[in-house]
Order: sequence, then C-alpha cells, then structure tokens
Amino acid sequence: AQSVTQLGSHVSVSEGALVLLRCNYSSSVPPYLFWYVQYPNQGLQLLLKYTSAATLVKGINGFEAEFKKSETSFHLTKPSAHMSDAAEYFCAVLGGSNYKLTFGKGTLLTVNP
Amino acid sequence: DGGITQSPKYLFRKEGQNVTLSCEQNLNHDAMYWYRQDPGQGLRLIYYSQIVNDFQKGDIAEGYSVSREKKESFPLTVTSAQKNPTAFYLCASQNTGELFFGEGSRLTVL
Repeated sequence: AQSVTQLGSHVSVSEGALVLLRCNYSSSVPPYLFWYVQYPNQGLQLLLKYTSAATLVKGINGFEAEFKKSETSFHLTKPSAHMSDAAEYFCAVLGGSNYKLTFGKGTLLTVNP
Repeated sequence: DGGITQSPKYLFRKEGQNVTLSCEQNLNHDAMYWYRQDPGQGLRLIYYSQIVNDFQKGDIAEGYSVSREKKESFPLTVTSAQKNPTAFYLCASQNTGELFFGEGSRLTVL
C-alpha cells in the first residue's frame, strides 16, 4: 500500500520568495508521483509528474520537483512566488497495479504582498 | 474541447433526499473516479470504474452508489444513508496514471 505525507497544512511566503512544499511518500513499488494545484471552488490541475525518467521534473507556472529515492521525497519548489500561486497543492502517489492515486491532505499556500 | 464536465456546480437538498451528480467525459478514457473533498482532509476515494459495466468501492463508499452504463458517463448518487453528505465532490478520468479532474460539484444538505 502507498501513502503520502505533506508536511505543513499551511505555508505562507512573501511575494518573490522561494516556495518549498514538502511531500514524502511510501510505496512498495517504484512510484509515479504527481503534484496538483487547486484554486478555490475548482477542480485539480496537474502541475507536474514523475514517471521514472529524469529525477528533476519541470512543470507549469515555473514549478519543479525533485524525486529523491533515498529520502522518499518529492518536494515542490518555485524560486520566486507570485500572488497568483496562492492555492492549495496536493501531492499524490501511484503505486502498484490498481491504478489508484493516493493523495496527501494538501498544503494551502498563501502569498503575502 | 476535451474534458470532464460535472453538473450541477452547486446543489442544495433537504435531509433525506437522494441526489445524483453528473459526470461526463469526452477524453475516451476507460477509468473514472469519484472523490469527496472536505476541508483539511484531502481527497477521499468514493468509487471508481476501470471499464464500462464494472465499478469498485473506494475508501468511503457507504451511503453512495454509482453506475457505469456508458464509457462517457459515471454518475454518483448520494443517498439518504450518507450521514454527512455536505461536501465538494470531484470526478476524474485517468490515462497512464494521470488524473484529469472536472470542476467539482458542491453539495449542501440543509
């Protein structure tokens, strides 16, 4: 069985500052990993995904994430936060043959002017 | 434009009434999912279907029912047996692991 832990339910940064959202996973098989973003009262939109190719994955809106097997982590970063980045972010893992994604509980990102 | 369409976006119902949420996709994906979202709890899987005429219970299926008569459609019924139905409901389809989400339906039971 797989699981996802997102450290910090709420992260607050200043505009222009580094964004770091943490995600640790457990999986009994090599995982596929995803980051999704959700704006209020909307569905989830894919930011980026890791599917066992390059360990540094670039996504939309300037976000990237690095897969570190030794740390079982897949942290999401962006060098400079923008006001429009304020949203909730979800990490998810797909492991095994059942094709079900397991989601973390989400991290709400606030960007202060 | 390909995607997932959920309706209605907002729905109000009285306690004891069954409610059906619509989910339609034109992405030609075999697998479809229903999730429930509550503040601070992330997404919890209600039901999923990997092929027409077949579906499986997720982690919180009690009080819900689904059907999958067509590839494009996966409606969710919230029955009167669901003790706390007020929530945001998300439908998704899946291709090579990635989920594609609709815009969600917010159900409020009065």
